[in-house]
Amino acid sequence: GAVVSQHPSWVICKSGTSVKIECRSLDFQATTMFWYRQFPKQSLMLMATSNEGSKATYEQGVEKDKFLINHASLTLSTLTVTSAHPEDSSFYICSAVDINNQPQHFGDGTRLSIL
Amino acid sequence: RKEVEQDPGPFNVPEGATVAFNCTYSNSASQSFFWYRQDCRKEPKLLMSVYSSGNEDGRFTAQLNRASQYISLLIRDSKLSDSATYLCVVNEQAAGNKLTFGGGTRVLVKP
Repeated sequence: GAVVSQHPSWVICKSGTSVKIECRSLDFQATTMFWYRQFPKQSLMLMATSNEGSKATYEQGVEKDKFLINHASLTLSTLTVTSAHPEDSSFYICSAVDINNQPQHFGDGTRLSIL
Repeated sequence: RKEVEQDPGPFNVPEGATVAFNCTYSNSASQSFFWYRQDCRKEPKLLMSVYSSGNEDGRFTAQLNRASQYISLLIRDSKLSDSATYLCVVNEQAAGNKLTFGGGTRVLVKP
C-alpha cells in the first residue's frame, strides 16, 4: 500500500530553535499534503493544506509565518516550526493523497518537545 | 457544536464480546466517511471506508445513516489487539478533500 514517511520521528530542542519536519510519499506522487497537529488526549487538528508548486492554505488560527510549509516536489513537503516555544510541543503528522484524492495516507508522526 | 462528534469512552469490552459506537456529523453535504484507528503515540491508520450501503471487513462492520447524519462501527469477537482509539473521519470534498476528525472513541478490550 501507499507509504508516507516522516522525519524525524522525535525532536527535543531548546526554546527559540527552528525545527524542520519532512514528509515524503515513497511510492506515489502526492499532489496534496496535509499537516496536522495533535495535543495529548485531543483529536487531530488540520493546520494547513499544501499543494505541490503553490502556497499552502492555512486553517484559521494557524500562523503562516511561524509554520512555514514548502511543497516543492510531488514527493516531499516540509514543515518548519520557526522559533519554537514550549507551547508548540505537540505531535505533528502529515498525510498525503495522490491525484485520485482518497484516502489520505499518514506519516508516522513527529513528536516535538521544546524545552 | 463540533463538526464531528464521538463518545470519548472508554468502552471497556470483555474479550470476545461485541462493541458498537456511533459518530455524528454536522455537515449534511459531507461525501465520504472513514474509520481510522489510532494507537497511543502513533499515527492514525485507515481501518475502513464507510459506504452508503454499509460494509463489512472481517469482524468490523460500518454503517452510514445520512438521514440522521451518523456513522457507526461495530466490532465483533473483540480481540485484545482491538484496544485503540477509533477516529471517525469525514471528508469535506467540497473543501478540497479536507478531513475533519472526531475526538475519537477509546476502546479497551480486557481478558
